[in-house]
Amino acid sequence: AQSVTQLGSHVSVSEGALVLLRCNYSSSVPPYLFWYVQYPNQGLQLLLKYTTGATLVKGINGFEAEFKKSETSFHLTKPSAHMSDAAEYFCAVSEKTSGTYKYIFGTGTRLKVLA
Amino acid sequence: DAGVTQSPTHLIKTRGQQVTLRCSPKSGHDTVSWYQQALGQGPQFIFQYYEEEERQRGNFPDRFSGHQFPNYSSELNVNALLLGDSALYLCASSLAMGHYEQYFGPGTRLTVT
Repeated sequence: AQSVTQLGSHVSVSEGALVLLRCNYSSSVPPYLFWYVQYPNQGLQLLLKYTTGATLVKGINGFEAEFKKSETSFHLTKPSAHMSDAAEYFCAVSEKTSGTYKYIFGTGTRLKVLA
Repeated sequence: DAGVTQSPTHLIKTRGQQVTLRCSPKSGHDTVSWYQQALGQGPQFIFQYYEEEERQRGNFPDRFSGHQFPNYSSELNVNALLLGDSALYLCASSLAMGHYEQYFGPGTRLTVT
């Protein structure tokens, strides 16, 4: 079974600083990888996804992530943090079992942006 | 194009009661999955429905059951509610059972007192 590990349950950055949220996965086959953001009392919003092709993926709100197969990583970055980026971020892998897919999520990283 | 919709938005129940949550998939989608997100945790897969049958199930007890209707909408039923069932319940739909990408609804917040 596949798994997802998010290092750091809480990350704090200053406004304007680099955001780096870490995600490692385990998979025996090429993975489909996703990053979601969740604001308080809301559902999941897709930030970006990796399926095939270019390993550097650009998403919404200035976020991007790089798929590194050799490191089994899919870290999320943003060059300059904004106060509105404060939220919970989830990394997920889409796992295929018996012909159907389900998502395996990490435990999440709460991003705090300091003024 | 309507996305995934869920009802109700919020729900408060008492221990031992039963609850039904509803989900309408994104237009054109025929597969529905349900996830439970407890406070401070990532979503956990409950089960998936396709062609009105349960196709895959996560590690949840039989108190959790579901149904899919001919129009692809789905229900999640939880019997004998426990305090630990308090969570955000997310519904996700996909284009087909064999498609890797799912689209999530806004969720139903269930509080068990």
